[in-house]
Amino acid sequence: SYVLTQPPSVSVAPGETANINCGGNNIGDKSVHWYQQRPGQAPVVVIYSNTDRPSGIPERFSGFNFGNTATLTISRVEAGDEADYYCHVWAGFTDLVRFGGGTKLTVL
Amino acid sequence: QLHLVESGGGLVRPGGSLTLSCVASGFKLEDHYMGWVRQVPGKGLEWISFISSTGVTKYYGDSVKGRITISRDNAKNSMQIQMNSLRGEDTALYYCTRGGKYDRKSDAFDLWGQGTMVTVSS
Repeated sequence: SYVLTQPPSVSVAPGETANINCGGNNIGDKSVHWYQQRPGQAPVVVIYSNTDRPSGIPERFSGFNFGNTATLTISRVEAGDEADYYCHVWAGFTDLVRFGGGTKLTVL
Repeated sequence: QLHLVESGGGLVRPGGSLTLSCVASGFKLEDHYMGWVRQVPGKGLEWISFISSTGVTKYYGDSVKGRITISRDNAKNSMQIQMNSLRGEDTALYYCTRGGKYDRKSDAFDLWGQGTMVTVSS
């Protein structure tokens, strides 16, 4: 089955850059989406189709996808970015929809 | 404003059944793939099902296949999921999600409800 692997946690200081990886076999061939989930809230898409940002999402959020790794980058991290982040792909007609296990971003 | 509102969650005994509903407002449900994602409190997201815009095509995750049935009523702008033979591991918050337009399965889930909690316990 198709597995998406994320680090359980990432920690950065305010103002620094956070990179959250999502590993999968040839994930670069797929369309990757990223969700932010703050405590007690529903997930919100922050990057869709690898690199696109929905309206209302700050330009500090960006995405890249190549080879076996997709990356969500959050520049100039703020305290309000502290949340869980999940990657998501359509993995095809055998594996269907997959989510990564999630990464907890801690702002130090 | 765009909204998805789930209902139907609650406490159910193991082996029991439950039907969850999702009503959309602010957009036409019939234009979109729609689906369900669940989350055990404190754990990650698990996709469990989605249904094409016409309701003809349905997909299910392995953990629920054979025990749930997804359906939609575009005239009522709503979607349902019937869950049978419920187990303790089905205890989770169930989110209704909006998927791609024109039946694009690879699109993001760009709208989520606030979820309805299902607890399976004796």
